[in-house]
Amino acid sequence: AQTVTQSQPEMSVQEAETVTLSCTYDTSESDYYLFWYKQPPSRQMILVIRQEAYKQQNATENRFSVNFQKAAKSFSLKISDSQLGDAAMYFCAYRSALTSYDKVIFGPGTSLSVIP
Amino acid sequence: GAVVSQHPSWVICKSGTSVKIECRSLDFQATTMFWYRQFPKQSLMLMATSNEGSKATYEQGVEKDKFLINHASLTLSTLTVTSAHPEDSSFYICSARDRWANSPLHFGNGTRLTVT
Repeated sequence: AQTVTQSQPEMSVQEAETVTLSCTYDTSESDYYLFWYKQPPSRQMILVIRQEAYKQQNATENRFSVNFQKAAKSFSLKISDSQLGDAAMYFCAYRSALTSYDKVIFGPGTSLSVIP
Repeated sequence: GAVVSQHPSWVICKSGTSVKIECRSLDFQATTMFWYRQFPKQSLMLMATSNEGSKATYEQGVEKDKFLINHASLTLSTLTVTSAHPEDSSFYICSARDRWANSPLHFGNGTRLTVT
């Protein structure tokens, strides 16, 4: 079975600085999708960024980028120029590409604080 | 973007009663819907996966007779917590996706259930 691990329960960053959140996963599959979701205090789940495993190029979305290391099964999220609104829980997630009905597996989450 | 509407956003019920939570996809056909449960400061725990017109597939440890899931149409899934007890108090989140393999999950805003 696939698993997702986030080794940093809590992280903090100064406003305008850069922070990297770690994520590792375990799978025997070769084709899959990886995601980072943000959950602010409102508890709404917001998709931050996604990566297809078959793509070697790291995904980027404005201030958010990932470092996808397929061989190492690592998928870290870098937030540049951190803003107060970035404070939230961040969940790394995995989904198999084998079937369109497969489920999304979430990591335990990292709570990010942004210091003014 | 795709919208998933979840109602109610919060509900208080007495022990022994049943509560129904609705999850609707407003602008796409939700071939698959997922129901998650989230305890405070924890990750999302998948309860069950439902495909339109089929019986839900429950995760190990989730009582299917207690958490009834119906996915009768491509836009509506319901979760009924039967004979609720205080330990069922939690935050319940639905998510939905269409039939395309690389489609992202779209989340509802969640329902906070309190059983007194």
